[in-house]
Amino acid sequence: DTEVTQTPKHLVMGMTNKKSLKCEQHMGHRAMYWYKQKAKKPPELMFVYSYEKLSINESVPSRFSPECPNSSLLNLHLHALQPEDSALYLCASSQMRDYEQYFGPGTRLTVT
Amino acid sequence: DQQVKQNSPSLSVQEGRISILNCDYTNSMFDYFLWYKKYPAEGPTFLISISSIKDKNEDGRFTVFLNKSAKHLSLHIVPSQPGDSAVYFCAARNFGNEKLTFGTGTRLTIIP
Repeated sequence: DTEVTQTPKHLVMGMTNKKSLKCEQHMGHRAMYWYKQKAKKPPELMFVYSYEKLSINESVPSRFSPECPNSSLLNLHLHALQPEDSALYLCASSQMRDYEQYFGPGTRLTVT
Repeated sequence: DQQVKQNSPSLSVQEGRISILNCDYTNSMFDYFLWYKKYPAEGPTFLISISSIKDKNEDGRFTVFLNKSAKHLSLHIVPSQPGDSAVYFCAARNFGNEKLTFGTGTRLTIIP
């Protein structure tokens, strides 16, 4: 089973809202990732958690706040986003840091 | 600075023929390469990978070739099937570094 699940599938939020994206995997993977993908562009790495500790933050604005409550769960808390933050947000996981990453289906976020 | 490049934004191939997707990279520190396939509104699906100690890796209809001296890799799909129509991303990584650097993608269309 190589499934990574993400909820919600779609999210529309205003610029003053607070919302969260959720990602879950039950493959025993110890690294989890958040990516952002704009239309016709490749995925761009935002954050990496390794063994539930934040190991990479790719200079992401503080209006995006990641959280890893346990080894199976990864959240992305959103606050005061801008319309240009509208994108597909992808979660991925891998067995260890050096193994292939498996992606979830993504959350399509629209900021109005 | 685009360290991983896919110079063909699109490719059309007749069903049953071979599809060849190309990828070039500039960072000589990359030592692990992956191919992902992506359907619209879904997350990327891992296809096949290759370590820099090899020059070929095969998995069913998919074969990846790596030419380190030319900093070039290619994905061969044979025979091509209609379900192969998707966007294909190559990605590269340094050993011990979780960050994947993606190419810009090639849209493959299989013509029945």
